[in-house]
Amino acid sequence: EIVLTQSPATLSLSPGERATLSCGASQRVSSRYLAWYQQKPGLAPRLLIYDTSSRATGIPDRFSGSGSGTDFTLTISRLEPEDFAVYYCQQYGSSPITFGQGTRLEIK
Amino acid sequence: EVQLVESGGGLVQTGGSLRLSCAASGFTLSSYAMNWVRQAPGKGLEWVSYISSSSTTIYYADSVKGRFTISRDNAKNSLYLQMNSLRDEDTAVYYCARDRGSSGWYWFDPWGQGTLVTVSS
Repeated sequence: EIVLTQSPATLSLSPGERATLSCGASQRVSSRYLAWYQQKPGLAPRLLIYDTSSRATGIPDRFSGSGSGTDFTLTISRLEPEDFAVYYCQQYGSSPITFGQGTRLEIK
Repeated sequence: EVQLVESGGGLVQTGGSLRLSCAASGFTLSSYAMNWVRQAPGKGLEWVSYISSSSTTIYYADSVKGRFTISRDNAKNSLYLQMNSLRDEDTAVYYCARDRGSSGWYWFDPWGQGTLVTVSS
């Protein structure tokens, strides 16, 4: 199975700053089949990005995704207070579907 | 509004059984594949099981294969997860999540609010 490793584990930034979250795959992710989710405490995950760079419905354009092969990135251009949460990447190009262990984005 | 609502969680003894349900509304369940994903307390997300829209294709994670059974009743707009021979490590919040389409394996959107399963001896 493809193992996804997210870095850093925790990212401490201030509102207004730019956030860059990484997701590395142990094998190539076919067809750029990678998604990103946001999860806030006590809530279910919410889809942000699919197919590496397509924003889900209703997601602000400050969220963007990029990458290919084994290296993928979620960028939040200018952090808003509501963006502080845990972020997970997921690959769906190979069986079984796998998730990264998450990056916690906290307020500095 | 598209909505998924899980139920059936609770406290169960090690070795026991539990059946989770997921009620779908706001969309036609028969048009979508569905998944169960779990999250142990304080941990990350783990995919558990997948079922295609017509139940012809079913997958399980190795950690639950032979113990869990996924099923659906499109007429009742419902998804199920029968969990047998439960272990302490099955303790988690269980989410149902809609797949992108009727078959294949894609991203999950939306997710239900989750139901907590606690396995303890």
